[in-house]
Parts: sequence; structure tokens; C-alpha cells
Amino acid sequence: EAGVVQSPRYKIIEKKQPVAFWCNPISGHNTLYWYRQNLGQGPELLIRYENEEAVDDSQLPKDRFSAERLKGVDSTLKIQPAELGDSAVYLCASSLGTSGGGDEQFFGPGTRLTVL
Amino acid sequence: GDSVTQMEGPVTLSEEAFLTINCTYTATGYPSLFWYVQYPGEGLQLLLKATKADDKGSNKGFEATYRKETTSFHLEKGSVQVSDSAVYFCALGSYSSASKIIFGSGTRLSIRP
Repeated sequence: EAGVVQSPRYKIIEKKQPVAFWCNPISGHNTLYWYRQNLGQGPELLIRYENEEAVDDSQLPKDRFSAERLKGVDSTLKIQPAELGDSAVYLCASSLGTSGGGDEQFFGPGTRLTVL
Repeated sequence: GDSVTQMEGPVTLSEEAFLTINCTYTATGYPSLFWYVQYPGEGLQLLLKATKADDKGSNKGFEATYRKETTSFHLEKGSVQVSDSAVYFCALGSYSSASKIIFGSGTRLSIRP
């Protein structure tokens, strides 16, 4: 079974440029998460989707970040414009979505973003 | 709000040593508790979990017991191997936190041959 797929794996951009990350969750997983992981820290949730609906986006900086999950499958996270402080690893995860906080989340390898 | 505090690293041990990585939590209600592991160059993966008080999660020789009275979920292994070198994250998942997982800051473990 394929795991969570993310692309690109690495991205280097100049500040003020836009950037987009793509995620394909495990087939059949209704819940999709985007996390940001700063160096030496644990992941922090940016947004959680239940199917197509964003049910928790309280930590998403909406002035520059946006996300979408068309048809409840793939998802894209965008930053426009990027700032130096956005340098981090962006992780996508998915889960079946059947047991709330007890669900096991499956993580992709992440996209390492460097903003110069 | 809900939070997780775990032992700061890095932790360096010799092969076959006993491992403990401490983790304590603050949460309302009854959270599920997890240990995730991140091997070099790989994504996070679930190592073990416990969903209620006194449950013991175990996998690959690692164990952790959900202690409600001390709000702890310490990770232990009796004899570590070089292949256990990784970053370990303690985490909690709570319905009161809108079903999201809150991670600790991670503990880097290095095992010397």
C-alpha cells in the first residue's frame, strides 16, 4: 500500500515569492492534516480537513497561507508571499478519521522549504 | 490548553543500554497518548499508543504506560540498538482539542556501537 506522498521534497525560494506543496493521502483516508515543523521542534498543526471541509484552520496564517482539498483527496498548501520565517519542513498526514483524537496519523516525508 | 513536555536531548547511549525518555502531559478530559519516531531521512511514524489509563503500548521492544495519576507516558526500552537512533516525539490526541494531535518538541537519541 502506498503511503502519503508529498512533493516536492525540497524547495528553495527567494522571499516574497509564492510556493505550493502537494499531498496525496493514503487511499480511503478521510482526514488530511498539514503541519509545519520548525528545526528542533515537534510538528504544529496548520489545518485539518474532513473530506473537503477544513474543520480546523485556527493555526493557519490566513494572510499568506491558503489550502484546498478538491474532491476530498489531494491537497495543496500555498504560501504567498513567502517570508524568511516560513523556512521549515511542511508535513502532510492522513488518517481514517474514525476515532477522533485517537486516530493514528500516517505522515508523508515532508517538504523542506528554505526561504532566502 | 493541552500540552506535552518531554525530556530534552540529545540523549547518547551505548548499545544494549537501558533507555528512558520522559514525557508528561497536560490535558482536559481523557487524551490518547502516542510515541512517534522519525528515523534519519524518513517521515514520522507511529511507534506505539495507549488510549486509556493504565494501558501499556508496546512495539519493537519499546514500551510506555499511560499513568493518569502522574500524567506521564515515559518511553522505555531494555536494550537499545544502533538502529534505534532517531528523534522520538511524545504526543497527545484529545477530543477537547478538536481531534488534533499535539506533539512535544522531540528527543534526539544516538546509540554508540
